[in-house]
Amino acid sequence: EVQLVESGGGLVQPGGSLRLSCAASGFTFRNHWMYWVRQAPGKGLVWVSRIKTDGSFTSYADSVKGRFTVSRDNARNTLYLQMDSLRDEDTAVYYCARDYASIPDYWGQGTLVIVSS
Amino acid sequence: QSALTQPRSVSGSPGQSVAISCTGTSSDVGSYNFVSWYQQHPGKAPKLMIYDVSVRPSGVPDRFSGSKSGNTASLTISGLQAEDEADYYCCSYAGSQSWVFGGGTKLTVL
Repeated sequence: EVQLVESGGGLVQPGGSLRLSCAASGFTFRNHWMYWVRQAPGKGLVWVSRIKTDGSFTSYADSVKGRFTVSRDNARNTLYLQMDSLRDEDTAVYYCARDYASIPDYWGQGTLVIVSS
Repeated sequence: QSALTQPRSVSGSPGQSVAISCTGTSSDVGSYNFVSWYQQHPGKAPKLMIYDVSVRPSGVPDRFSGSKSGNTASLTISGLQAEDEADYYCCSYAGSQSWVFGGGTKLTVL
């Protein structure tokens, strides 16, 4: 059974940093591209980032480019999202998701990030 | 990277059919068949219902179907059931290694 478990969310002040993790199991992690997608409270889903199987290629939404960095550790079956220079508008539940045929298929339960002073 | 346009809400009675539209542009929905649909119940993770415009993953009831015409994709749910009440989101590849979601549609089963 595919499982994705996010962690690392919490309350952080504007301008601060946070690193999210996503532990994967139930599939061959190193064979799949991975996504981060976020959802602000009461709002819709927004694509954040995607990373290639070996971590050699990454892409980002314009709203986070230059502030967020996606990475992965295939030996630990873990995906990361380093978030720097956080803003109020980054407040959201952050989901990791597995790639299948260039779309997200399985999703984790999400981790909540609150940016507030 | 503007969000795809979906109706805010749709409704239908049990047994009826409803359709949810997802309008993009010639740079996303109109150019690629990487269109997917997700169902999200309150407080839960999204669940993939349709991918590649019209393909159902294993385990998704055949009451769910997808289509596309030009810059608009659609999700049709036939034989509505109470458990179908949820938020639905479309998603499209938008080129240059970027993806865009719709704003979401709340489906109410009357």
